[in-house]
Amino acid sequence: EAGVAQSPRYKIIEKRQSVAFWCNPISGHATLYWYQQILGQGPKLLIQFQNNGVVDDSQLPKDRFSAERLKGVDSTLKIQPAKLEDSAVYLCASSLKRRNYNEQFFGPGTRLTVL
Amino acid sequence: GENVEQHPSTLSVQEGDSAVIKCTYSDSASNYFPWYKQELGKRPQLIIDIRSNVGEKKDQRIAVTLNKTAKHFSLHITETQPEDSAVYFCAASRGGGGNKLTFGTGTQLKVEL
Repeated sequence: EAGVAQSPRYKIIEKRQSVAFWCNPISGHATLYWYQQILGQGPKLLIQFQNNGVVDDSQLPKDRFSAERLKGVDSTLKIQPAKLEDSAVYLCASSLKRRNYNEQFFGPGTRLTVL
Repeated sequence: GENVEQHPSTLSVQEGDSAVIKCTYSDSASNYFPWYKQELGKRPQLIIDIRSNVGEKKDQRIAVTLNKTAKHFSLHITETQPEDSAVYFCAASRGGGGNKLTFGTGTQLKVEL
């Protein structure tokens, strides 16, 4: 089966600019996650969707980050305005259901560099 | 919230030796503990996981052990090979793998010839 798709793979912007990332989960996966992975650290959950509803966004910096999954399939993550500390890899993952020990499958990530 | 600590941060072994990576977690309600392998520039991939009702699980050369009382779990790789070289992350979650994963800080494993 096709994996989780993300675009773009790389993005370089200047601070205070805005940027958007796109994710297409595995077909049929109801749960979608956005993680931020700073160099040398483990992924940190930013937001979790169940279908098109938000389950957990407690670690999303809501003053500058936003995310949506309008039709319960694709998702976009936006940063506006970007700061230097937002430089990281943004990973999208999906799983079949929210519970029942379903594996989370990760996409290749988008590497963001903020200058 | 959950906090996961992982040690060591780097590990170098000779080919054929065993490697052990250890993690501790803080939330006693966590009941699912996956391990992910991430090669340079690639996505994390699940290599093994364990649920809280099991003390040990094996899959060929890899095994994971869980001590719920001490809130410790460990990854064991035997007969290491160069292709095992990667960063390994432990994680913990409540309610199964579909819930939020809290990751450790990662272990860079290098298998030397």
